Amino acid sequence: RKEVEQDPGPFNVPEGATVAFNCTYSNSASQSFFWYRQDCRKEPKLLMSVYSSGNEDGRFTAQLNRASQYISLLIRDSKLSDSATYLCVVVVAGGANSKLTFGKGITLSVRP
Amino acid sequence: EPEVTQTPSHQVTQMGQEVILRCVPISNHLYFYWYRQILGQKVEFLVSFYNNEISEKSEIFDDQFSVERPDGSNFTLKIRSTKLEDSAMYFCASSGSGSGANVLTFGAGSRLTVL
Repeated sequence: RKEVEQDPGPFNVPEGATVAFNCTYSNSASQSFFWYRQDCRKEPKLLMSVYSSGNEDGRFTAQLNRASQYISLLIRDSKLSDSATYLCVVVVAGGANSKLTFGKGITLSVRP
Repeated sequence: EPEVTQTPSHQVTQMGQEVILRCVPISNHLYFYWYRQILGQKVEFLVSFYNNEISEKSEIFDDQFSVERPDGSNFTLKIRSTKLEDSAMYFCASSGSGSGANVLTFGAGSRLTVL
């Protein structure tokens, strides 16, 4: 099983749509979870951390299910500017050994 | 907003040549990283560096690779004898301490093309 596995894509949705991305991780010792966003040929940028209780940042909602080793990202009211690749990221240890393990990413295209 | 800067933005080299990629992490950060992304593939961890030594490295980071923090600001990745398969985007990242240690800020990347 891959360390971090994301839904295959791409997703192509109209503006205003709600879209959900799913991600599973294999290492039960994983401690921290994130969603990063990567625009074409650019660096990954932190979108949001994912907390056990679930968290929301504007139109974005992240959920974590430790028992199922599953993370999700929900984007409501999609904008054209949301078009990007969304990377699920898992960290097993912290501090000096903060090795981020990335999923392959899922590409979202929002059309007018 | 503080940023991680990388140079060069693009380097083209011949197979077998040595390449040095440079990074200036955020000034008060303590942890430094190199990641790479082959075109169309996922971002892969290479190495983490803390307190002037490597704290973890991946299986990709073999004897051809080395990192150095030669002074108080730069963090470099050296590839001794480049291979075609080293062609990729190389991202430097840094993070702070405490709860910020897991929050990495990435540089814009150095694209390496090996011919």
